[in-house]
Amino acid sequence: DQQVKQNSPSLSVQEGRISILNCDYTNSMFDYFLWYKKYPAEGPTFLISISSIKDKNEDGRFTVFLNKSAKHLSLHIVPSQPGDSAVYFCAASRSSGNTPLVFGKGTRLSVIA
Amino acid sequence: GAVVSQHPSRVICKSGTSVKIECRSLDFQATTMFWYRQFPKQSLMLMATSNEGSKATYEQGVEKDKFLINHASLTLSTLTVTSAHPEDSSFYICSASGTGKGNYGYTFGSGTRLTVV
Repeated sequence: DQQVKQNSPSLSVQEGRISILNCDYTNSMFDYFLWYKKYPAEGPTFLISISSIKDKNEDGRFTVFLNKSAKHLSLHIVPSQPGDSAVYFCAASRSSGNTPLVFGKGTRLSVIA
Repeated sequence: GAVVSQHPSRVICKSGTSVKIECRSLDFQATTMFWYRQFPKQSLMLMATSNEGSKATYEQGVEKDKFLINHASLTLSTLTVTSAHPEDSSFYICSASGTGKGNYGYTFGSGTRLTVV
């Protein structure tokens, strides 16, 4: 039973354009959501998070949107840069830091120069 | 910011031997440590959760006698893969949560690539 789903295994975007990565979840008890960037054979690097009391959080080129009624969140990267090419994981938990994260399967983003 | 140091980054061992992986929180107290493994092109799957001074809680399907977790201090947790077999070859990652100069949640180590031959 996959509680966090990233249905697009890969995404290609032109440099300078917007990248939109999507994530859906099934467990309504999740109240904290995070996005990580990961390269092969490295640990995940935290990008941005959002708690369920918000519907948007922005940090530089990264914005996360949360639609609780749809149990859907998305990560927007604009403008996309070649250095953004990596695998992006969506993760969710029931509280910040105290319970383990549940990860999606990841989306491989390729930003083409 | 919070840092979790994970060692070794890469290890190759013979089948039947044991391998120990260490995770240290460098500037905060890791009250909780999560251990994950990742197979190629798959998600990070939680193996176990450990709180300092307590026995680890293992996820269903994870053998506690095979994957020994020790979290004896607030800055160190270890995962020992005992009697390793080729099917244990994977990427193992720790994640720590705790307190220090603030609250630190979900800081990941850099991972350990284990290859059992």
